[in-house]
Amino acid sequence: NAGVTQTPKFRVLKTGQSMTLLCAQDMNHEYMYWYRQDPGMGLRLIHYSVGEGTTAKGEVPDGYNVSRLKKQNFLLGLESAAPSQTSVYFCASSRRLATSTDTQYFGPGTRLTVL
Amino acid sequence: AQSVTQLDSQVPVFEEAPVELRCNYSSSVSVYLFWYVQYPNQGLQLLLKYLSGSTLVKGINGFEAEFNKSQTSFHLRKPSVHISDTAEYFCAVSSYNFNKFYFGSGTKLNVKP
Repeated sequence: NAGVTQTPKFRVLKTGQSMTLLCAQDMNHEYMYWYRQDPGMGLRLIHYSVGEGTTAKGEVPDGYNVSRLKKQNFLLGLESAAPSQTSVYFCASSRRLATSTDTQYFGPGTRLTVL
Repeated sequence: AQSVTQLDSQVPVFEEAPVELRCNYSSSVSVYLFWYVQYPNQGLQLLLKYLSGSTLVKGINGFEAEFNKSQTSFHLRKPSVHISDTAEYFCAVSSYNFNKFYFGSGTKLNVKP
């Protein structure tokens, strides 16, 4: 049981390049989330998904697109990377969190630098 | 929309001393409240959460938090900290459908020997 995995762990892009970050979970969770973490700003929600085939915008969606074609995968795309997108990206998954035993599981993060 | 304020960006404390990390939130609707811990170069791990019921919530690693609706606060406490508690702590709120989470800016707890 690997939990939540993210690929790649590190990446350096040039301005204008594109890339896709992959998040995979093996816990059969319905909910999946993409966050970015910047110093002094905590985590900010980029996009989220409440089930296969559905996605929605979070707090800072501009410049990013997502897809959830399979329940276990949640992809985050940058079509034209900008230096402002330099950040650490975290994926998370969960069940509905409605009981005391439910929790949100986070991946190890992807450190992205855009030059 | 909701927002979360963590008043202290850094909290230094000596080992075995008590600690309180402060969190205030604002929301026009009822919310769920969470505390997460992040160790260096790792993802976040849930410490505890408040959904309903008793306002005093106990979590892992000896932490507890108290929900105060009138003061819109959810402060995190531990009566005696260890060196291993050195980490960054995030307070978060979510709406009842768990679709969106809003995190505070984090508090770095530095436990000194």
